[in-house]
This record gives sequence, structure tokens and C-alpha cells, in this order.
Amino acid sequence: SQKIEQNSEALNIQEGKTATLTCNYTNYSPAYLQWYRQDPGRGPVFLLLIRENEKEKRKERLKVTFDTTLKQSLFHITASQPADSATYLCAISGDYGQNFVFGPGTRLSVLP
Amino acid sequence: DARVTQTPRHKVTEMGQEVTMRCQPILGHNTVFWYRQTMMQGLELLAYFRNRAPLDDSGMPKDRFSAEMPDATLATLKIQPSEPRDSAVYFCASGPPITTNEKLFFGSGTQLSVL
Repeated sequence: SQKIEQNSEALNIQEGKTATLTCNYTNYSPAYLQWYRQDPGRGPVFLLLIRENEKEKRKERLKVTFDTTLKQSLFHITASQPADSATYLCAISGDYGQNFVFGPGTRLSVLP
Repeated sequence: DARVTQTPRHKVTEMGQEVTMRCQPILGHNTVFWYRQTMMQGLELLAYFRNRAPLDDSGMPKDRFSAEMPDATLATLKIQPSEPRDSAVYFCASGPPITTNEKLFFGSGTQLSVL
């Protein structure tokens, strides 16, 4: 069955540095890969989506890459701020929204 | 601001009782997902509906869980009978028609505690 892994359960970085989170998947060829942010006590909130035929996507301080050969996505937050502290989840899905599966998440802490 | 509404926000019940969780998707969205989140398992996909029809409920324990969409504005998830291992946060998410956008909008969740 398909499996999604995220590089670490928790990541601590210093304010102003770039945070890099990794998402790896197996036994699946997703049409889309997405990244969500989840704060304690809240539902996940959509951040970015990248399609299987795209290599990179940017939005403000966020950047996502997608390597379908390596079956891996990297999620970067540049000039990180304490307000970026949250859990970040990657998700994969098929062409029609089927198999919309989430990874376990990485808890990011940006230290002032 | 359009949002997915889930009720109740919190539910404490005793083992063996029936639990019903409700979700109102965003108007115009035609896909609805139910997820369960625990510390150990993360977000697990339980069921997926498109245009009110269940397309995938393979993640749901069939003997005690059931999911329905009586109409386009209401999705329900029922557990009968409930067990302590069902304690988790249950999220509903809705998505616009696939051809226009693929992202999901989540509700705030129902925190379920089964004693």
C-alpha cells in the first residue's frame, strides 16, 4: 500500500534561516502533491500544490519542489519567523481526488 | 468567509454509546473527506464522497462506522457502538469540483473521547 514519510518528527531552526522539510512516498504515482500547515487544535490549512509535471512552485517565502523520479518533495520556508512554528503535512492524491493521503507531519519550531 | 462547519466540537461518551458527527461542507464543493487524527497514526483517511456518492470508505472499520451524505449540505459519520480506541479528533474536509481546484478545506474537527 502507499506510504508517505516526512523526514523528521520535529525540526528546530533559528529565526531568519531557511527551513527545509522532506516528504517521501512509495508505491504510488500521485497526480498532485500538496503541503498543509496545522496549528494546535485546528484543522490543516492548505499552503501549496504542485502537479506531477511541475518541478517547482513558489509562493512568497514558500517553495516546493517535486521529483517524481526520487518520489520526493522538498518544502522550504525562507527567512523563517517564530510565527511559522507549526506542524507541516504533505499530502498526495490522484487525478480525481482519490487516495488523498497525508504524511505524519513535521513539527517545526522557529526559535527567536 | 466560507468554511467547513463541524459539530459537535467536543464529545465525551461512554463505551457502547452511539456517536454522530456532522459536517457542513462549503457551498458548491462536491467532494467530502472524513479523516481521523491521533498522535500515533496521524491523519487517516476514513471515507471519501464525490457528488454525495461514497467512492472510498476502505479506511473505515465497517462493523461500527458508517458515513453518509443525506444531502449536499450535510455529511455524517456515525460510530455504533463506540469503543475507547475510537478516541481521536475527527476532521471533515471539502473540496471544489476537481476540474477547477484540488485543495481541501478542513473543519475545526470533533474531539471525541470514549470512556
